[in-house]
Amino acid sequence: KNEVEQSPQNLTAQEGEFITINCSYSVGISALHWLQQHPGGGIVSLFMLSSGKKKHGRLIATINIQEKHSSLHITASHPRDSAVYICAVYFSAPLENTDKLIFGTGTRLQVFP
Amino acid sequence: DADVTQTPRNRITKTGKRIMLECSQTKGHDRMYWYRQDPGLGLRLIYYSFDVKDINKGEISDGYSVSRQAQAKFSLSLESAIPNQTALYFCATGQENTGELFFGEGSRLTVL
Repeated sequence: KNEVEQSPQNLTAQEGEFITINCSYSVGISALHWLQQHPGGGIVSLFMLSSGKKKHGRLIATINIQEKHSSLHITASHPRDSAVYICAVYFSAPLENTDKLIFGTGTRLQVFP
Repeated sequence: DADVTQTPRNRITKTGKRIMLECSQTKGHDRMYWYRQDPGLGLRLIYYSFDVKDINKGEISDGYSVSRQAQAKFSLSLESAIPNQTALYFCATGQENTGELFFGEGSRLTVL
Protein backbone atom coordinates (compact mmCIF):
# COMPACT_ATOMS: atom_id res chain seq x y z
CA LYS A 1 0.00 0.00 0.00
CA ASN A 2 1.36 3.41 -0.94
CA GLU A 3 1.99 5.79 1.92
CA VAL A 4 0.18 8.53 -0.01
CA GLU A 5 -2.98 7.69 -1.92
CA GLN A 6 -4.85 10.09 -4.15
CA SER A 7 -8.33 9.77 -5.58
CA PRO A 8 -9.55 9.85 -8.18
CA GLN A 9 -6.66 9.08 -10.51
CA ASN A 10 -8.47 10.74 -13.41
CA LEU A 11 -11.20 13.32 -13.36
CA THR A 12 -13.11 15.06 -16.13
CA ALA A 13 -15.42 17.99 -15.56
CA GLN A 14 -17.41 20.60 -17.39
CA GLU A 15 -16.40 24.21 -17.03
CA GLY A 16 -17.98 25.70 -13.92
CA GLU A 17 -18.18 22.47 -11.93
CA PHE A 18 -16.94 22.15 -8.37
CA ILE A 19 -13.96 19.79 -8.19
CA THR A 20 -12.67 17.77 -5.24
CA ILE A 21 -9.44 15.79 -5.18
CA ASN A 22 -8.62 13.69 -2.15
CA CYS A 23 -5.37 12.65 -0.51
CA SER A 24 -4.97 10.09 2.26
CA TYR A 25 -1.71 9.21 3.93
CA SER A 26 -0.54 6.63 6.40
CA VAL A 27 2.45 8.32 8.06
CA GLY A 28 2.65 11.02 10.68
CA ILE A 29 3.42 14.28 8.94
CA SER A 30 4.49 17.80 9.71
CA ALA A 31 3.01 19.34 6.58
CA LEU A 32 1.35 18.56 3.27
CA HIS A 33 1.83 20.17 -0.13
CA TRP A 34 -0.57 20.36 -3.01
CA LEU A 35 1.29 20.69 -6.29
CA GLN A 36 0.11 21.40 -9.83
CA GLN A 37 1.84 19.97 -12.87
CA HIS A 38 0.84 21.31 -16.28
CA PRO A 39 1.38 19.53 -19.60
CA GLY A 40 4.99 20.19 -20.47
CA GLY A 41 6.01 19.19 -17.01
CA GLY A 42 6.58 22.19 -14.76
CA ILE A 43 5.51 21.72 -11.13
CA VAL A 44 4.21 24.52 -8.94
CA SER A 45 3.45 24.39 -5.25
CA LEU A 46 -0.13 25.57 -4.68
CA PHE A 47 -0.40 25.19 -0.92
CA MET A 48 1.47 23.98 2.09
CA LEU A 49 -0.78 22.97 4.98
CA SER A 50 -0.14 21.76 8.48
CA SER A 51 -3.66 22.26 9.80
CA GLY A 52 -7.06 23.66 8.91
CA LYS A 53 -7.78 25.29 5.63
CA LYS A 54 -6.20 27.63 3.09
CA LYS A 55 -7.76 29.50 0.20
CA HIS A 56 -6.18 31.09 -2.83
CA GLY A 57 -8.53 32.40 -5.46
CA ARG A 58 -10.73 29.52 -6.61
CA LEU A 59 -8.59 26.93 -4.86
CA ILE A 60 -9.27 25.69 -1.35
CA ALA A 61 -7.20 23.12 0.52
CA THR A 62 -8.17 21.45 3.77
CA ILE A 63 -6.43 19.00 6.01
CA ASN A 64 -7.58 16.79 8.87
CA ILE A 65 -4.50 15.64 10.75
CA GLN A 66 -6.40 13.17 12.94
CA GLU A 67 -7.98 11.46 9.94
CA LYS A 68 -4.79 11.76 7.84
CA HIS A 69 -6.71 13.23 4.97
CA SER A 70 -6.55 16.33 2.82
CA SER A 71 -8.74 17.66 0.04
CA LEU A 72 -8.16 20.13 -2.73
CA HIS A 73 -11.23 21.90 -4.04
CA ILE A 74 -11.56 23.97 -7.18
CA THR A 75 -14.61 26.18 -7.42
CA ALA A 76 -16.00 27.29 -10.79
CA SER A 77 -13.53 25.12 -12.68
CA HIS A 78 -12.05 26.37 -15.93
CA PRO A 79 -10.23 24.63 -18.80
CA ARG A 80 -6.99 26.28 -17.69
CA ASP A 81 -7.27 24.26 -14.45
CA SER A 82 -6.55 21.13 -16.51
CA ALA A 83 -3.40 19.67 -15.03
CA VAL A 84 -2.11 16.91 -12.80
CA TYR A 85 -2.55 17.66 -9.11
CA ILE A 86 -0.09 16.01 -6.77
CA CYS A 87 -0.28 15.59 -3.02
CA ALA A 88 3.02 15.38 -1.16
CA VAL A 89 3.43 14.80 2.56
CA TYR A 90 6.37 16.07 4.53
CA PHE A 91 7.53 14.19 7.57
CA SER A 92 10.59 14.06 9.76
CA ALA A 93 12.65 10.91 9.86
CA PRO A 94 15.05 11.60 12.74
CA LEU A 95 16.66 8.15 12.61
CA GLU A 96 17.73 8.98 9.08
CA ASN A 97 18.66 12.53 10.04
CA THR A 98 16.37 13.92 7.43
CA ASP A 99 12.94 15.04 6.62
CA LYS A 100 11.30 13.64 3.57
CA LEU A 101 8.63 14.34 1.02
CA ILE A 102 6.51 11.43 -0.15
CA PHE A 103 4.51 12.03 -3.28
CA GLY A 104 1.21 10.67 -4.44
CA THR A 105 0.92 9.56 -8.05
CA GLY A 106 -1.28 12.48 -8.98
CA THR A 107 -4.81 13.16 -10.18
CA ARG A 108 -5.19 14.09 -13.82
CA LEU A 109 -7.92 16.71 -14.22
CA GLN A 110 -9.42 17.72 -17.53
CA VAL A 111 -11.95 20.53 -17.63
CA PHE A 112 -13.92 20.89 -20.84
CA PRO A 113 -15.56 24.09 -22.06
CA ASP B 1 14.60 34.55 -14.55
CA ALA B 2 13.07 31.38 -13.20
CA ASP B 3 13.61 30.61 -9.52
CA VAL B 4 14.96 27.15 -10.38
CA THR B 5 16.60 26.55 -13.74
CA GLN B 6 17.42 23.14 -15.16
CA THR B 7 19.59 22.40 -18.16
CA PRO B 8 19.23 20.73 -20.53
CA ARG B 9 15.45 20.57 -20.82
CA ASN B 10 15.63 17.65 -23.20
CA ARG B 11 18.39 15.18 -23.95
CA ILE B 12 18.57 12.04 -26.01
CA THR B 13 21.62 9.89 -25.44
CA LYS B 14 22.90 6.38 -25.92
CA THR B 15 23.52 3.60 -23.45
CA GLY B 16 26.88 3.98 -21.74
CA LYS B 17 27.23 7.71 -22.21
CA ARG B 18 27.89 10.08 -19.32
CA ILE B 19 25.21 12.69 -18.79
CA MET B 20 25.07 15.68 -16.47
CA LEU B 21 21.90 17.55 -15.58
CA GLU B 22 22.44 20.93 -14.02
CA CYS B 23 20.30 22.90 -11.63
CA SER B 24 20.69 26.43 -10.37
CA GLN B 25 18.44 28.45 -8.05
CA THR B 26 18.01 32.09 -7.17
CA LYS B 27 15.97 31.55 -3.99
CA GLY B 28 18.91 31.36 -1.63
CA HIS B 29 17.61 28.07 -0.25
CA ASP B 30 19.94 25.67 1.51
CA ARG B 31 18.04 22.55 0.54
CA MET B 32 18.19 21.13 -2.96
CA TYR B 33 16.75 17.90 -4.32
CA TRP B 34 16.83 15.74 -7.42
CA TYR B 35 13.76 13.65 -8.26
CA ARG B 36 12.77 11.48 -11.13
CA GLN B 37 9.23 11.04 -12.42
CA ASP B 38 8.04 7.97 -14.29
CA PRO B 39 4.55 7.38 -15.68
CA GLY B 40 2.23 5.97 -13.02
CA LEU B 41 4.69 6.57 -10.20
CA GLY B 42 5.05 9.45 -7.80
CA LEU B 43 8.17 11.56 -7.81
CA ARG B 44 11.04 9.60 -6.30
CA LEU B 45 14.02 11.11 -4.53
CA ILE B 46 17.44 10.45 -6.03
CA TYR B 47 19.71 12.68 -3.94
CA TYR B 48 19.33 15.66 -1.67
CA SER B 49 21.59 18.24 -0.11
CA PHE B 50 20.99 20.43 2.93
CA ASP B 51 24.07 22.53 2.31
CA VAL B 52 27.24 22.51 0.25
CA LYS B 53 28.96 19.98 2.51
CA ASP B 54 25.92 17.80 3.10
CA ILE B 55 24.98 15.31 0.37
CA ASN B 56 22.62 12.42 1.00
CA LYS B 57 21.29 9.50 -0.97
CA GLY B 58 17.61 9.24 -1.61
CA GLU B 59 15.54 6.15 -2.26
CA ILE B 60 16.85 5.49 -5.80
CA SER B 61 20.45 6.73 -5.87
CA ASP B 62 22.06 3.73 -7.61
CA GLY B 63 23.49 4.72 -10.98
CA TYR B 64 23.51 8.43 -10.10
CA SER B 65 25.91 10.85 -8.47
CA VAL B 66 25.60 14.51 -7.54
CA SER B 67 27.74 17.53 -6.88
CA ARG B 68 26.80 20.64 -4.88
CA GLN B 69 29.19 23.14 -6.38
CA ALA B 70 27.75 26.10 -4.51
CA GLN B 71 24.66 26.92 -2.52
CA ALA B 72 22.90 27.78 -5.75
CA LYS B 73 24.06 24.86 -7.90
CA PHE B 74 23.31 21.15 -7.67
CA SER B 75 24.12 18.84 -10.57
CA LEU B 76 23.09 15.25 -11.21
CA SER B 77 25.29 12.86 -13.17
CA LEU B 78 24.63 9.55 -14.81
CA GLU B 79 28.07 8.02 -15.21
CA SER B 80 26.96 5.36 -17.65
CA ALA B 81 23.40 5.89 -18.78
CA ILE B 82 21.08 2.92 -19.25
CA PRO B 83 17.61 2.79 -20.86
CA ASN B 84 15.71 2.43 -17.58
CA GLN B 85 17.04 5.84 -16.60
CA THR B 86 14.77 7.30 -19.25
CA ALA B 87 12.54 9.63 -17.23
CA LEU B 88 11.63 13.20 -16.42
CA TYR B 89 14.02 14.63 -13.86
CA PHE B 90 13.19 17.49 -11.52
CA CYS B 91 15.37 19.64 -9.37
CA ALA B 92 13.72 21.32 -6.38
CA THR B 93 14.75 23.71 -3.66
CA GLY B 94 13.24 24.12 -0.24
CA GLN B 95 13.41 26.08 2.98
CA GLU B 96 12.92 24.25 6.26
CA ASN B 97 11.43 27.05 8.34
CA THR B 98 8.90 28.24 5.77
CA GLY B 99 8.23 24.97 3.99
CA GLU B 100 8.63 26.72 0.65
CA LEU B 101 9.20 24.35 -2.22
CA PHE B 102 10.16 25.33 -5.77
CA PHE B 103 10.63 23.02 -8.74
CA GLY B 104 12.52 23.43 -11.95
CA GLU B 105 10.80 22.92 -15.28
CA GLY B 106 12.13 19.38 -15.60
CA SER B 107 14.70 17.68 -17.79
CA ARG B 108 13.43 14.96 -20.06
CA LEU B 109 16.12 12.33 -20.59
CA THR B 110 15.85 9.52 -23.12
CA VAL B 111 18.47 6.78 -23.11
CA LEU B 112 18.47 4.65 -26.24
